[in-house]
Amino acid sequence: NAGVTQTPKFQVLKTGQSMTLQCAQDMNHNSMYWYRQDPGMGLRLIYYSASEGTTDKGEVPNGYNVSRLNKREFSLRLESAAPSQTSVYFCASRVGQYYGYTFGSGTRLTVV
Amino acid sequence: GDSVTQMEGPVTLSEEAFLTINCTYTATGYPSLFWYVQYPGEGLQLLLKATKADDKGSNKGFEATYRKETTSFHLEKGSVQVSDSAVYFCALSDPTNSGNTPLVFGKGTRLSVIA
Repeated sequence: NAGVTQTPKFQVLKTGQSMTLQCAQDMNHNSMYWYRQDPGMGLRLIYYSASEGTTDKGEVPNGYNVSRLNKREFSLRLESAAPSQTSVYFCASRVGQYYGYTFGSGTRLTVV
Repeated sequence: GDSVTQMEGPVTLSEEAFLTINCTYTATGYPSLFWYVQYPGEGLQLLLKATKADDKGSNKGFEATYRKETTSFHLEKGSVQVSDSAVYFCALSDPTNSGNTPLVFGKGTRLSVIA
């Protein structure tokens, strides 16, 4: 099915471990985004890529890095995980400025 | 900068009650406006949208009208069901911003519908 695919769906890390969250879209969208959502909270933007080859920091970029591998894929890396990074991570994409996002189903990350 | 303000939740209603979730915005240009819904344990889904003044977006019995004069985009439903229990987010996209800047989201309003 067309849409935004996130992997993995669940992950448990130990403090200090690293991992990469994967996101891929098959809708030929130009822009891609990474958000985190803490329990009972709204969305906070981590990083985004307005177009292939560009990335920009969002509201909460510390502790994260991103790579826009190609037009389809936008990965989020945690180099040294901390308990404060326990959250649900959502990837989203859209075709252009006048349009809304299509969201992935999320990655539920626990750092112990 | 641009901003979206939603009514604080949680909102608890009985089944078949009328729902209004208020949303007001501040934007430098003429934004597109969106409502997203997040069911428990799921990602956000686009519920409806409006791209210009006086447009009405509608879907699944929900409606919202783009009111430029009051800078509002309130979400309404005439008769809610238990299955409408979810978190609702209002958002805007301001095309006057360069570089395909991200959507601006409200903080979300949790709705619980009781049978």
